[in-house]
Amino acid sequence: EIQLQESGPGLVKPSQSLSLTCSVTGYTITSGYDWSWIRKFPGNKMEWMGYISYSGSTNYNPSLKSRISITRDTSKNQFFLQLNSVTTEDTATYYCARYRRRVPYWYFDFWGPGTMVTVSS
Amino acid sequence: DIQMTQTPSSMPASLGERVTISCRASQGISNYLNWYQQKPDGTIKPLIYYTSNLQSGVPSRFSGSGSGTDYSLTISSLEPEDFAMYYCQQYDSSPWTFGGGTKLELK
Repeated sequence: EIQLQESGPGLVKPSQSLSLTCSVTGYTITSGYDWSWIRKFPGNKMEWMGYISYSGSTNYNPSLKSRISITRDTSKNQFFLQLNSVTTEDTATYYCARYRRRVPYWYFDFWGPGTMVTVSS
Repeated sequence: DIQMTQTPSSMPASLGERVTISCRASQGISNYLNWYQQKPDGTIKPLIYYTSNLQSGVPSRFSGSGSGTDYSLTISSLEPEDFAMYYCQQYDSSPWTFGGGTKLELK
């Protein structure tokens, strides 16, 4: 079965960049689907951040567009999140997820367990 | 962005009880509405996609309905493992947005 696993630093200083890795097993990320990052803030609000498609194209939430980059390493079957110029408001649990798009059924069908990132000096 | 308003934000309920969680979109979303469950350990899984389609492996006590701007998730008879957070999510237009969540708690 497909599994996703987030990894990266749990603590980032304000103004620095947040970098996370999502390692995928059980499915090749270039075979299909979109590969997303989603975060859940303290207080339970959830935000879709963006995705990289199986072909390498990207789509970002406009609220983050100037700060976010999602890339991939197909040789390692991994994709990455970079969020620049972080503030304490970026403190959240970050999830990677597979986005299934088969009209009209579009949904996040597999999720990683999440990784908590705190932005603090 | 389409705003998703989920109610209630928390719901005390008993085992065996029938519960309904509501989700209202700020504009019509043409049934492009999904539901997710987040367990206390943080794991998230899809329950319902495209308003009323049950994800494989999800028990039949879960059901979804709705149209236009108003949608709901119903659990017909609560089991112990159902006490969790629930989120709706629209995909009518990007950016995909989530409701604020409903915490189902044991009464």
